[in-house]
Formats: sequence, structure tokens, C-alpha cells
Amino acid sequence: GEDVEQSLFLSVREGDSSVINCTYTDSSSTYLYWYKQEPGAGLQLLTYIFSNMDMKQDQRLTVLLNKKDKHLSLRIADTQTGDSAIYFCAESIGGQNFVFGPGTRLSVLP
Amino acid sequence: GAVVSQHPSRVICKSGTSVKIECRSLDFQATTMFWYRQFPKQSLMLMATSNEGSKATYEQGVEKDKFLINHASLTLSTLTVTSAHPEDSSFYICSAQGLAHNEQFFGPGTRLTVL
Repeated sequence: GEDVEQSLFLSVREGDSSVINCTYTDSSSTYLYWYKQEPGAGLQLLTYIFSNMDMKQDQRLTVLLNKKDKHLSLRIADTQTGDSAIYFCAESIGGQNFVFGPGTRLSVLP
Repeated sequence: GAVVSQHPSRVICKSGTSVKIECRSLDFQATTMFWYRQFPKQSLMLMATSNEGSKATYEQGVEKDKFLINHASLTLSTLTVTSAHPEDSSFYICSAQGLAHNEQFFGPGTRLTVL
């Protein structure tokens, strides 16, 4: 079946850039997402990218998609302490059957 | 953006009792809502897909008689955990599918603790 993988932990210093990586297996995925989850809260959609795009930028967030390698990344520029959270990568086919990765816990050090 | 609420945010109950969790889309109509379960430090596990006016579709391994889902209107879906046991303690998150269909908007989650 479909699988989405992420590294579990990432630590960066405040002000540096963070890059969170994700790989997926389903080549028929049409949408790929990044969600943020703060402690004890639900998931907040940060951004998503359609599978025919290779890059999307939204303020401090840059999403890169390498469809050939089935690799998705999220870059957060000028990382702040408020960015500390768990980041989930997810894929779907036409908005159906979302599959989530295990989440990457981002720690921002002062 | 679209807002999804859940109620209650936290509930503690005794073993054997039933607990109802509500999921509401506040500013849009959602024909499809999803219920997830999240164990500590783990990802979300889809439990069921709830469609307005029809029976929910449960994922493999999820007991439909234990986790009753009702999607009575385009803005409300409820999950009832019947005869709850300590192993049902978890974080339950709902989401609602937006009009664009490619987006899911998540509620803040409900933490259920069964004593």
C-alpha cells in the first residue's frame, strides 16, 4: 500500500533555515501536503502542492517536489521558536485517501 | 480559512460508559468528514470516512459497532465511543473536506481518557 516516510527529529538554531524531508511511494498521488501540529492541538494545513508543480513558495515556506524520486521537502526560512512543532507530510489522490507520514518533530534552539 | 471545531476538547470517563464527540464545520458545508485517532508521538490513523446522509465507511480493523459515526447534517458529524475501555484512550481528530475537495481542514482534537 501507500507509504509516506519522514525523519522523526530535526533541530535547528533560531534564525537558520529548516529543511524537512519526506518520501512517498504512490506515484499516482495528485496532491502533497504539509501540516503543522502544535502540542495538544489539531493539524494546521501549511501548504500543499499539486503533483505537476515542482516548487511552491509562500512567505517563509518553500515546498520542493521531485516527482521522479517521489521526494518532497519543506524549507522554513529564518526559523523561529514558534515554528517548533511536529510537521506531517501527507499525500492524496484527488483529495481522497489521505496518507500521513509519521511526523518530524522540529526543535528550534535559541 | 475554513474552521472546524470539536467538542469537547478533553473528556475523562469511567470504563464502560459511552462518550460522544462532535465535529463541526463552522463556515462551510462539508459533505465528507474524516475521523482520525492519534496515539502519543505517532501519526494519524484514519478510522472512518463520514458522508452526510449515508453510512460511514470504516477502515480495516476499526469496529463500527464500537465507534458509531453519525453525519446528520452538512456541518456536523459525531463519533460515539461506546462502552469505552482504557485502551480507547487517545487523541481523536476530525477533519472536514473543503469545497475544493483537495483540502482537509482539521479540528483541534479531543483527548479522551478512560479510567
